[in-house]
Amino acid sequence: DAKTTQPPSMDCAEGRAANLPCNHSTISGNEYVYWYRQIHSQGPQYIIHGLKNNETNEMASLIITEDRKSSTLILPHATLRDTAVYYCIVRSSNAGNNRKLIWGLGTSLAVNP
Amino acid sequence: EAGVVQSPRYKIIEKKQPVAFWCNPISGHNTLYWYRQNLGQGPELLIRYENEEAVDDSQLPKDRFSAERLKGVDSTLKIQPAELGDSAVYLCASSPTGREQYFGPGTRLTVT
Repeated sequence: DAKTTQPPSMDCAEGRAANLPCNHSTISGNEYVYWYRQIHSQGPQYIIHGLKNNETNEMASLIITEDRKSSTLILPHATLRDTAVYYCIVRSSNAGNNRKLIWGLGTSLAVNP
Repeated sequence: EAGVVQSPRYKIIEKKQPVAFWCNPISGHNTLYWYRQNLGQGPELLIRYENEEAVDDSQLPKDRFSAERLKGVDSTLKIQPAELGDSAVYLCASSPTGREQYFGPGTRLTVT
């Protein structure tokens, strides 16, 4: 069962920031938040992950609320190539089968010219 | 650095026929995953390997699906016999740490 809730679709203008929300109200203390995206007809692509601190890399920023019940993935300057389905996933840091990723339906982001 | 390689990219077979998919992970990645993705859904884990050991195959339909990862490098996923409901994209991923996963382009299987 998916542990996250995401809006099914979003639109964003090219050049603007895309802010993708994710609710994970039942997250436990040892669970990380991961973000992947999947461009049409390609395999998923890892974007970023975090535990409780905000994270930034060359692709995106991840903002996690203080209570860790929700997070936002930020693409600072969206381009047409960022059009994809974005998946927010929580995953235990413990060894064993709890480490598997449980994928939901994601958010389909359309970046418009 | 080369990514995860999968072949074939596309496969069309008749039901009851066997089919095999091949995956070569990124060099040095000890963890390998096979996923199945149905249209409009997220990927579903079939099996996870740590080196040559299958450590999670709880979602693998063992009556018709089998997998192997000899020598802990490349891997093969087999379906025999295929059913109409097996039509999906089969994804292979690898990971250096068991955290972030790097996916191949997938094999799109159509069973007629």
